[in-house]
Amino acid sequence: AQSVTQLGSHVSVSEGALVLLRCNYSSSVPPYLFWYVQYPNQGLQLLLKYTSAATLVKGINGFEAEFKKSETSFHLTKPSAHMSDAAEYFCAVSAFISGGYNKLIFGAGTRLAVHP
Amino acid sequence: DAGVTQSPTHLIKTRGQQVTLRCSPKSGHDTVSWYQQALGQGPQFIFQYYEEEERQRGNFPDRFSGHQFPNYSSELNVNALLLGDSALYLCASSLEAAETQYFGPGTRLLVL
Repeated sequence: AQSVTQLGSHVSVSEGALVLLRCNYSSSVPPYLFWYVQYPNQGLQLLLKYTSAATLVKGINGFEAEFKKSETSFHLTKPSAHMSDAAEYFCAVSAFISGGYNKLIFGAGTRLAVHP
Repeated sequence: DAGVTQSPTHLIKTRGQQVTLRCSPKSGHDTVSWYQQALGQGPQFIFQYYEEEERQRGNFPDRFSGHQFPNYSSELNVNALLLGDSALYLCASSLEAAETQYFGPGTRLLVL
């Protein structure tokens, strides 16, 4: 069975500071991993994804994440936080089900607050 | 290029009623998945449709059912609504067997 754990339900940073959101996964097969962002009263927007190519993945809005198999981690970072980054962030693993089809298993989410 | 669309955006129902939510996938996508996101939680997989058939479902009771039409759009039906069904219902579309799912804005259901 696959699962995702996001460490820290709330993270608060100052504008311009480093953003680090933690995600650890469990998977018996090589995983596909995703980060999605959710702004208030909106759906999920794909930030970036890891699909067994480069271990350092760059996404939109200056975010990137590094896949570390030895640590079963896929942490999300951004060098300099902006006020507009305040949102809920979800890490997800793609679970291949019968026939090779996929569903997403999400973590509980991390709410990022950015203060001036 | 239109993304995933869902209707309605908000819905209020009372316990015991039935509800139908609708989803149109991103252009070119043929697979639709539905997720339930309760307040303060991550989305939970309900089921997935491809070629008008449900091919996998999560841990949800039979009160939750769905349908996919020949144009790939989809409906989620929930019967005998419970207070606990109050949530944001998200639709995601993808290409068959592709790993990336794209989400719509969701339908927020409130059951009173």
